Amino acid sequence: QKEVEQNSGPLSVPEGAIASLNCTYSDRVSQSFFWYRQYSGKSPELIMSIYSNGDKEDGRFTAQLNKASQYVSLLIRDSQPSDSATYLCAVNQGGKLIFGQGTELSVKP
Amino acid sequence: KAGVTQTPRYLIKTRGQQVTLSCSPISGHRSVSWYQQTPGQGLQFLFEYFSETQRNKGNFPGRFSGRQFSNSRSEMNVSTLELGDSALYLCASSLGYSSSGELFFGEGSRLTVL
Repeated sequence: QKEVEQNSGPLSVPEGAIASLNCTYSDRVSQSFFWYRQYSGKSPELIMSIYSNGDKEDGRFTAQLNKASQYVSLLIRDSQPSDSATYLCAVNQGGKLIFGQGTELSVKP
Repeated sequence: KAGVTQTPRYLIKTRGQQVTLSCSPISGHRSVSWYQQTPGQGLQFLFEYFSETQRNKGNFPGRFSGRQFSNSRSEMNVSTLELGDSALYLCASSLGYSSSGELFFGEGSRLTVL
C-alpha cells in the first residue's frame, strides 16, 4: 500500500462545475495535510493546508479532512480553465513530507 | 526576494557516470529537501537537510547522497548512474523543517541518463 494515494485521473470537469479531488493516507498518526498545485512544466506550489477534522475554506478552494477515515479532499468551486493542473496531496508522515502521485484536473471551457 | 535556484537545469549523462546537482534556497531558509519526480512514481522524497545535518532520508539506494553547506546551499550527488535515474530532481526550501508543509520548490534539474 502506498503511503499517500490519489487517483491519477485525468479528471475532466466543465467550466463552472465543482471539481472534487481525493487522497487517502496510510499513517494513522499523521497530523498535517497539504495540497499543492503543479502546472504543466512548472514546480509544485502550496495552495492549502489543513490540520483539524472538518472543512477549511479559502476562496474557491475547500479542503476537507477526516482522520478516522484517513481521507483528505480538495473541492474547487466554480472551476476555471486556469485551474487545469495536477493537484498533489502531501502528508506529514514520520517527519517527512510525503506526496501522492497527483490527480490531473482538466477544466473544459 | 529570490526564489529557490537549481543548477544545472538540464543535463545528459551516460550510465555509470556520476552527477552533482546544486540548490540555493531562499535566503533565510534553513531546510533543503530533495525530491525525484517521474511520471510513474510521482514525487518521491530523497532527503532533507537542516542546518548542515541530514534530518531524514527516503528509500533510495546509497548511490544517492547529499550535503548542505553553512550558507544553506545544498548539493546532491548520484553515483554510478542507471537508466532509471532519469528524472526531474526538485529541490525545495523551507524556513523550518519540511514537515511544516510550506515548501518552496525550485524549477528542477532534468537529468537524462543514456
